[in-house]
Amino acid sequence: DAKTTQPTSMDCAEGRAANLPCNHSTISGNEYVYWYRQIHSQGPQYIIHGLKNNETNEMASLIITEDRKSSTLILPHATLRDTAVYYCIVRVAQNQGGKLIFGQGTELSVKP
Amino acid sequence: EPEVTQTPSHQVTQMGQEVILRCVPISNHLYFYWYRQILGQKVEFLVSFYNNEISEKSEIFDDQFSVERPDGSNFTLKIRSTKLEDSAMYFCASRRGLATSRPYEQYFGPGTRLTVT
Repeated sequence: DAKTTQPTSMDCAEGRAANLPCNHSTISGNEYVYWYRQIHSQGPQYIIHGLKNNETNEMASLIITEDRKSSTLILPHATLRDTAVYYCIVRVAQNQGGKLIFGQGTELSVKP
Repeated sequence: EPEVTQTPSHQVTQMGQEVILRCVPISNHLYFYWYRQILGQKVEFLVSFYNNEISEKSEIFDDQFSVERPDGSNFTLKIRSTKLEDSAMYFCASRRGLATSRPYEQYFGPGTRLTVT
């Protein structure tokens, strides 16, 4: 599975959009980009995933560049409850048993 | 909305003792996982389980670890002889199978904090 690079930490003002970048320059054509987050001491939570088209759901939007070497997770109106570690994971959809390989992620702090 | 549940929330045990961590995955899910997170470190994959057998395991998952799905609802992780370095948060996760909507999303439980003294 492709390696990802994310900033260690970011701050965002409450009510503003949080844009979390992820670089995955070695991504292969059959690898998807997944985003999970982990609120302090809780289990990770799925947010969104995509292959090459931009995706949106009730939680967030995912923008993937045309060359697929990077992506951005957008939380359109961040709240204090969005403070968490956000993980960008790249993997083949059907990789073996489907394991997730977590990196260090980006620690997002949403401030009042 | 259905959730993955785990018991106990906190387990304290002495080195060398056996522990069993229990999970109830979401009822129509087919793939099951255990992960662990040592305090301050990243989440690490331990094992995946499908069709009543291990489909993949990591280097961490040595002979001291075993998993079982003893009935149609529970999924357990057993550590035979605990070591101090097994102290961590253990997360169970499950996902639907292929040919379903959203087949690849994993749903995680709240975790069991294992403390080995």
